[in-house]
Amino acid sequence: NAGVTQTPKFQVLKTGQSMTLQCAQDMNHEYMSWYRQDPGMGLRLIHYSVGAGITDQGEVPNGYNVSRSTTEDFPLRLLSAAPSQTSVYFCASSPGRHNQPQHFGDGTRLSIL
Amino acid sequence: KQEVTQIPAALSVPEGENLVLNCSFTDSAIYNLQWFRQDPGKGLTSLLLIQSSQREQTSGRLNASLDKSSGRSTLYIAASQPGDSATYLCAVSSNPGGGNKLTFGTGTQLKVEL
Repeated sequence: NAGVTQTPKFQVLKTGQSMTLQCAQDMNHEYMSWYRQDPGMGLRLIHYSVGAGITDQGEVPNGYNVSRSTTEDFPLRLLSAAPSQTSVYFCASSPGRHNQPQHFGDGTRLSIL
Repeated sequence: KQEVTQIPAALSVPEGENLVLNCSFTDSAIYNLQWFRQDPGKGLTSLLLIQSSQREQTSGRLNASLDKSSGRSTLYIAASQPGDSATYLCAVSSNPGGGNKLTFGTGTQLKVEL
C-alpha cells in the first residue's frame, strides 16, 4: 500500500542545474498536484493535473515544468535551479471528485546553493 | 484571491486538555475544507474533510466545524495526548474547474506536554 511516493527525499543542487523530482501514485487517482512549502508561507500550488495528458499552472509555476504521460506519474522539472527554489516539495493525489481528501507524499527537501 | 489564516500559530497545552484550533478564509465560495496533520519531516495526513453543505465532521477525538457564511472553521481536539503534538493545517478547495486545488493556511504548531 505505497500511496504517493516521492523521490529523492533530499537533494542539493548548484544554481543553474536542472533536475526532475519524481512522484508516483498507485491509487489510480485522476488528480495530481505539486506544492512547495516555505517557512511562514504555507503550501503553495505549483502545477496540477486533472488526468493523463492534461496539466495546468497553479499559484507559483515560474521556473517549473510538468507533464503527465500516465495516470501514475507526475514529475516536476526544475529547468535552471535558483536559490529561491530552495524548499520542501510535496506531491499530492486525489480521486476525480471534489469531495475526496488529498493524499500527500513525504516530500523532497531541495537546497539550491 | 482566497486567503486562509490560522490562529494561533503555536499552542502548548498540558495533557488531557480540550483545545480548539481556528481557521478563517476570505472567500466563502468553497467546495470543501480539509484539516491536515503534519509531523516534523513528514508529509500531510488528512484528518477531516467537510463538504461545503456540511456543518461538522467527527473522527474519534476530533471534531471539525464549518461556518461557510462567516468564513470560519474550528478543529476541536478532546482530551489531548502527547501523540497529538504536530502542526495542524487547514486548507480550502475553491476551484470551479476541478483539480481539487487547495489553498492552505500556515498552520498551528501544537505541543501537548506531559
